[in-house]
Amino acid sequence: SYVLTQPPSLSVTQGQTARITCGGNDIRSESVHWYQQRPGQAPVLVVHDDSDRPSGIPERFSGSNSGNMATLTISRVEAGDEADYYCQVWHDYSDHPVFGGGTTLTVL
Amino acid sequence: QVQLQESGPGLVKPSQTLSLTCTVSGDSISSAAYYWSWVRQRPGKGLEWIGHIYHSGTTFYNPSLKSRLNISLDASKNQFSLNLASVTAADTAVYSCARIFAYGQAYFDSWGQGTLVTVSS
Repeated sequence: SYVLTQPPSLSVTQGQTARITCGGNDIRSESVHWYQQRPGQAPVLVVHDDSDRPSGIPERFSGSNSGNMATLTISRVEAGDEADYYCQVWHDYSDHPVFGGGTTLTVL
Repeated sequence: QVQLQESGPGLVKPSQTLSLTCTVSGDSISSAAYYWSWVRQRPGKGLEWIGHIYHSGTTFYNPSLKSRLNISLDASKNQFSLNLASVTAADTAVYSCARIFAYGQAYFDSWGQGTLVTVSS
């Protein structure tokens, strides 16, 4: 089965840029989606299809995908960005969604 | 704007069946554009896809749960349901229903708030 690998945690100083990675074999061939889950809340889609933002998501959130790594970039990080972030693909071979293990973003 | 709301018992005894219902408002579960899914999150763990159902009734299950799992829908009530049999403490989790945009590389575009189900005697 297809495996997505995320770092368990990342700490970033407020105002700086956070880059959360999601590794997978030839992930550039997949469309990667990203979710933000604040403590005690439901996940929220923040980027879909590698780099598209749903309406209402700030431009500070952006995504990229190349080689074996996809990246969610959060510019000018705010305290409210502190959350768990998950990447997800719909791998054709599996014919079902696959989630990464999640990255906990801490804002210092 | 679509809203999803889970309902069902918060406590289930070991070996019994966990049953949850998701009520959808603001959209029809008969829409061809979406799958309707269940996802769970065990304490301190990440997101785990359980399964999903299409408006036709076609189901897709996580292979690790398939032998115990049944997902169904009731279009007349705009609801879909989860039944997980023979539960153990390992099935204790927050269970969420979610809508999947079904075109292209599908993604979860709307989520319910989730409901905690504890398996304990």
